[in-house]
Amino acid sequence: QQQVKQSPQSLIVQKGGISIINCAYENTAFDYFPWYQQFPGKGPALLIAIRPDVSEKKEGRFTISFNKSAKQFSLHIMDSQPGDSATYFCAASKDSTGGFKTIFGAGTRLFVKA
Amino acid sequence: GAGVSQSPRYKVAKRGQDVALRCDPISGHVSLFWYQQALGQGPEFLTYFQNEAQLDKSGLPSDRFFAERPEGSVSTLKIQRTQQEDSAVYLCASSTGLAWGNEQFFGPGTRLTVL
Repeated sequence: QQQVKQSPQSLIVQKGGISIINCAYENTAFDYFPWYQQFPGKGPALLIAIRPDVSEKKEGRFTISFNKSAKQFSLHIMDSQPGDSATYFCAASKDSTGGFKTIFGAGTRLFVKA
Repeated sequence: GAGVSQSPRYKVAKRGQDVALRCDPISGHVSLFWYQQALGQGPEFLTYFQNEAQLDKSGLPSDRFFAERPEGSVSTLKIQRTQQEDSAVYLCASSTGLAWGNEQFFGPGTRLTVL
């Protein structure tokens, strides 16, 4: 019930293309769904996050689509750039007082070809 | 501006040794988290502090793992009698802990290798 399943494991996209990463969760108590970006040798950094009462959130080239009934959410990276090459993690948590116990997906390694 | 810092960045220990990993959170951040990240995997929750109170330690894999934050700022994760399966990157994160969607700011991690 605590799992967050992420796919694909790896993704290769041409520069300018759209990168799509999918996640599914089971615990309906989750109420905060962030996406993190991690470069080698660095800690994860928050990219964008959504709450379950919203179906879509867009920030620049990054969009989260959220389907509450299906318990699925996805990250779309428009106009993908080589600098977007990194590992992306979806996550879920029940936010009470500070992002309590965030559960991460296994990650997607994105490579954007120049 | 100072982010979350962790030390040491790399630690090599012989099996059976005790290790201590330090986390300096962003000043004023109430919440502090420890995660374990195995190679090629996502971070796994270990424990969570709000100020000096350890509110959740359900992710600590065994009683060899111990975390403290005695003054509500710096935190130490201690692993006793290290085993090879403890080899991983240990990440610390902090957040303001004040409202919905508090961003967790991660440190660069400590890479622990147990030989």
